[in-house]
Amino acid sequence: SQQGEEDPQALSIQEGENATMNCSYKTSINNLQWYRQNSGRGLVHLILIRSNEREKHSGRLRVTLDTSKKSSSLLITASRAADTASYFCATDEAGGGNKLTFGTGTQLKVEL
Amino acid sequence: DVKVTQSSRYLVKRTGEKVFLECVQDMDHENMFWYRQDPGLGLRLIYFSYDVKMKEKGDIPEGYSVSREKKERFSLILESASTNQTSMYLCASSLGGVGDYGYTFGSGTRLTVV
Repeated sequence: SQQGEEDPQALSIQEGENATMNCSYKTSINNLQWYRQNSGRGLVHLILIRSNEREKHSGRLRVTLDTSKKSSSLLITASRAADTASYFCATDEAGGGNKLTFGTGTQLKVEL
Repeated sequence: DVKVTQSSRYLVKRTGEKVFLECVQDMDHENMFWYRQDPGLGLRLIYFSYDVKMKEKGDIPEGYSVSREKKERFSLILESASTNQTSMYLCASSLGGVGDYGYTFGSGTRLTVV
């Protein structure tokens, strides 16, 4: 079953702009994670936010978590062409034992 | 650099063949996972393992089996390959126990069943 649903499915922006992706999920979670996938490759872990955290930063990435709304957002600031990739949220469900459930992803294209 | 290695990037097999996808990690991780990725469906969990000789079914285990004889190696087996198993297969590993751990993924195996 799909736990996370990303929105939008696709996003196209200009280099230097900010990109915001959203994720909604259905059950209680231990943590929520974001991953990046370059075309045809494996996923790379970007950031993890615990259920008791509301916001987290890592370099140009900012993640927020609203457990009351069961939603999260990933903000990439000052985007670069190299940020072009698919981005997935994944949830570690409470009681699920570090077994992640992934959403369908947002395809981000950053144009020069 | 720590990593997860999948034995093949591309694989073409015939319908009915028995297919082995191999995954090896060098991080001494307890947990290992097999996902398949299809357009519009995201990643779906096939099987996972929390320890040697242990295995658990994921969301879509039908038509697959797994083997974990050593901690570092987790094999996915397609008992009799079918065309609907054409997909990208991704292996991942993570630390075990209680805690918040991210996954390390392999580069994926793109399997085509003809």
